[in-house]
Amino acid sequence: NAGVMQNPRHLVRRRGQEARLRCSPVKGHSHVYWYRQLPEEGLKFMVYLQKENIIDESGMPKERFSAEFPKEGPSILRIQQVVRGDSAAYFCASSPGTGTYGYTFGSGTRLTVV
Amino acid sequence: KNEVEQSPQNLTAQEGEFITINCSYSVGISALHWLQQHPGGGIVSLFMLSSGKKKHGRLIATINIQEKHSSLHITASHPRDSAVYICAVGPNYGGATNKLIFGTGTLLAVQP
Repeated sequence: NAGVMQNPRHLVRRRGQEARLRCSPVKGHSHVYWYRQLPEEGLKFMVYLQKENIIDESGMPKERFSAEFPKEGPSILRIQQVVRGDSAAYFCASSPGTGTYGYTFGSGTRLTVV
Repeated sequence: KNEVEQSPQNLTAQEGEFITINCSYSVGISALHWLQQHPGGGIVSLFMLSSGKKKHGRLIATINIQEKHSSLHITASHPRDSAVYICAVGPNYGGATNKLIFGTGTLLAVQP
């Protein structure tokens, strides 16, 4: 029973390119969360999705960032026209439900914008 | 002021020592999580607590809901325990969101 799978582990993009980060939740988990960890900072919430729905995107920058969790396939965090300030570790987590259900985290994608 | 505060920020211990990391929070919560992150590594969930105490091997986590405080203890510490330990809370804001709010982490170094 695989955990949360994130790919790629490392991603290098030039300024202005697009970055696509993928997250496959634990089998049976229908709740997916994306968190960002900027260098020397703590983790910050970005977006919470259930299948085909964005539930809470209050932590997502208004421009260039989008997320989806389609009926089939992984959740995707998409960053358009990346800038140096987007360089960070992006972590995905999944859970089977809300409230007191536990989280399982992925290994993260380290994005470097050059 | 952050909604989740951890102390200390940095901790150096000798192998075998008993270690305590503290977490205080200012919001109502549905659960509190203790996480472990090795440098450049992924995040591992150690505990999820909503009351009382939990133990797993040499790790013990406690929570006092009235005082809004939790502690993570490591008994007989070992160099492989060296990592960042992060406290996170699931706030009870109501509504459908289930996001976590994180402390800034405690960097633990256990020296042989």
